Amino acid sequence: EAQVTQNPRYLITVTGKKLTVTCSQNMNHEYMSWYRQDPGLGLRQIYYSMNVEVTDKGDVPEGYKVSRKEKRNFPLILESPSPNQTSLYFCASSSYTDTQYFGPGTRLTVL
Amino acid sequence: AQSVTQLGSHVSVSEGALVLLRCNYSSSVPPYLFWYVQYPNQGLQLLLKYTSAATLVKGINGFEAEFKKSETSFHLTKPSAHMSDAAEYFCAVSEGARGNEKLTFGTGTRLTIIP
Repeated sequence: EAQVTQNPRYLITVTGKKLTVTCSQNMNHEYMSWYRQDPGLGLRQIYYSMNVEVTDKGDVPEGYKVSRKEKRNFPLILESPSPNQTSLYFCASSSYTDTQYFGPGTRLTVL
Repeated sequence: AQSVTQLGSHVSVSEGALVLLRCNYSSSVPPYLFWYVQYPNQGLQLLLKYTSAATLVKGINGFEAEFKKSETSFHLTKPSAHMSDAAEYFCAVSEGARGNEKLTFGTGTRLTIIP
């Protein structure tokens, strides 16, 4: 089954404690992206990657890092999480000729 | 720069009534337009997309949308609402040549169906 998976689905952490949210896709897609969803703001892009070792900032990259060492994986790293990063995070992937498929989301709470 | 405006953060319709969710966009190039649906505690699912072929686009679950360049609109409609349509709906625009690159989303419209 074609899918985008994210782990963990739910995470509660404290300010300053580094964390990683993993994203994996099994469709051999070149393009992957991270979004955050906040009430009244819709989804905003954090980072995206056009292919392995190629990443770029989206609209709200501050406080986040990403890496793309393998085609299937695109982890989102919060080196020092803060409460304003409490949000619902979505990973998405697509080929160059198709629309984006979204993962199920990761709900992050930073205390 | 591209942007999307969804009019009405909450819309309520009776079961069996017409559903109309409004979306206006701004784009400096011919846009690619999308509607996504998000059911509670789930990710986003593509309903339909406009990629410069037919202006009337049919999607899944009986939804359709019409691209109107003169009005810069891409409103989503469904003739008869069903209880299962209750969800949040997002309009999005892309300026990518293949329509799969950076998506700019609207703020969403929560659709409630009244029995």
